Amino acid sequence: QQQVKQSPQSLIVQKGGISIINCAYENTAFDYFPWYQQFPGKGPALLIAIRPDVSEKKEGRFTISFNKSAKQFSLHIMDSQPGDSATYFCAATPSGSARQLTFGSGTQLTVLP
Amino acid sequence: KAGVTQTPRYLIKTRGQQVTLSCSPISGHRSVSWYQQTPGQGLQFLFEYFSETQRNKGNFPGRFSGRQFSNSRSEMNVSTLELGDSALYLCASSRGGGTHNEQFFGPGTRLTVL
Repeated sequence: QQQVKQSPQSLIVQKGGISIINCAYENTAFDYFPWYQQFPGKGPALLIAIRPDVSEKKEGRFTISFNKSAKQFSLHIMDSQPGDSATYFCAATPSGSARQLTFGSGTQLTVLP
Repeated sequence: KAGVTQTPRYLIKTRGQQVTLSCSPISGHRSVSWYQQTPGQGLQFLFEYFSETQRNKGNFPGRFSGRQFSNSRSEMNVSTLELGDSALYLCASSRGGGTHNEQFFGPGTRLTVL
C-alpha cells in the first residue's frame, strides 16, 4: 500500500500560536490531498483539501502548503484555539481511485489555554 | 440534511464469529466507502461501493466483504473474526462520480473481538 508519512505524532501549542503538521508521499499518481480533523468519538471531517496544481490554499485559519517537487504538503493552523484540539490526518488519493484515501498516521494536537 | 448513520455503534463478538455492520449514506449520495481505524495501523481503506458495484478494494483478506443495496445503503461483513479485527469501522459517503467529491464520515462502529 502506498504510504503517506505524517509528522509529528503529537503537538502541543499555546493558544494563539501556529500549529504545523507535515506530510510526505511517495506515489506520484496522487492528485488530491485532503486534511481531516477527528474529535474523540466522531468520524473524521474534511477540513481543507488541495490539488497539486496550486502551491497554497487558505480557508480561514487553515492553510495547506504544497511542494510538488519535494512531494510534501503541510497544514498550518494560525491563531490556534483550544477548540482545535483534535487528531489531524493528512490523506491522498489518485485520480483513478477518487475515494480510496490513503491516510497519514495522524497528529494529536493539544492547544493549551 | 441527516448525516451518515452507522449501526450498531458498539459490538462485542468472540473469535470465529461473523459480524455485519450497516451504513446509511447521506440522501442522494451513491458512493459508500469503508475504512478500518486501529491504533496500530491507523486508518485503512477497505472498499468502495458505487451504484451497487464494488469499485475499489484495499489490502484486506477475503474475510472482509461488503455490498450495497439499490437505496445506496451498504453493509460490511467480517467472517471468522480474529482478535486483530477489533477496530473502529468507519463508513464514508459521497456523491460519487469521477471527481474528488467530499467524503462524509459516519461516527463508526466500535467492534471488539474477545
